[in-house]
Amino acid sequence: AAGVIQSPRHLIKEKRETATLKCYPIPRHDTVYWYQQGPGQDPQFLISFYEKMQSDKGSIPDRFSAQQFSDYHSELNMSSLELGDSALYFCASSLGQSMAYGYTFGSGTRLTVV
Amino acid sequence: AQSVTQLDSQVPVFEEAPVELRCNYSSSVSVYLFWYVQYPNQGLQLLLKYLSGSTLVKGINGFEAEFNKSQTSFHLRKPSVHISDTAEYFCAVSDAGFNAGGTSYGKLTFGQGTILTVHP
Repeated sequence: AAGVIQSPRHLIKEKRETATLKCYPIPRHDTVYWYQQGPGQDPQFLISFYEKMQSDKGSIPDRFSAQQFSDYHSELNMSSLELGDSALYFCASSLGQSMAYGYTFGSGTRLTVV
Repeated sequence: AQSVTQLDSQVPVFEEAPVELRCNYSSSVSVYLFWYVQYPNQGLQLLLKYLSGSTLVKGINGFEAEFNKSQTSFHLRKPSVHISDTAEYFCAVSDAGFNAGGTSYGKLTFGQGTILTVHP
């Protein structure tokens, strides 16, 4: 079965650079969620999109922006990177905005800022 | 606002012994409850979930959990653990359902995680 695809799997950037993370949801899933998991931390919700519109926003820094495209894939853009942005970034997708419909996580993108 | 408390940050146990990982939650609305497992440097894998119905939920790898609404708990149990169960376990909660106002459900709030270490 198709899963949630995240790219790249690993990314190393320098401070003040920009990074773009991509998420490809399961086919026919219309909702995407982004989470950030710092070292030794629990995952924290960043932002979500439903039918290409932002549906909810969590603890996402102003330096970060995201969008969902017409094919339902999503990109998380991170500018002016800081050392503290080093984390595992997860994407999840679902059908509709309810947890009852096939909520699935991708394997994550590990971002290291040096 | 919701919150999740995992009562033990680390649980050491011997192989073939039973284990219980404790989770309590706080929410002003009805919730869905989940347990995820994360192996080192890997993603989040769903173990089991409670949406409605029977309060005893069975998941993968022999795990089960019981939803106790009065105690706002969702403890994870396994009667006999294996070395391969060594991992970090996260309890998570989300709002149940969807309201007409368009508020997004599906946002997960996670607990702090419990590291289960199974010793031979």
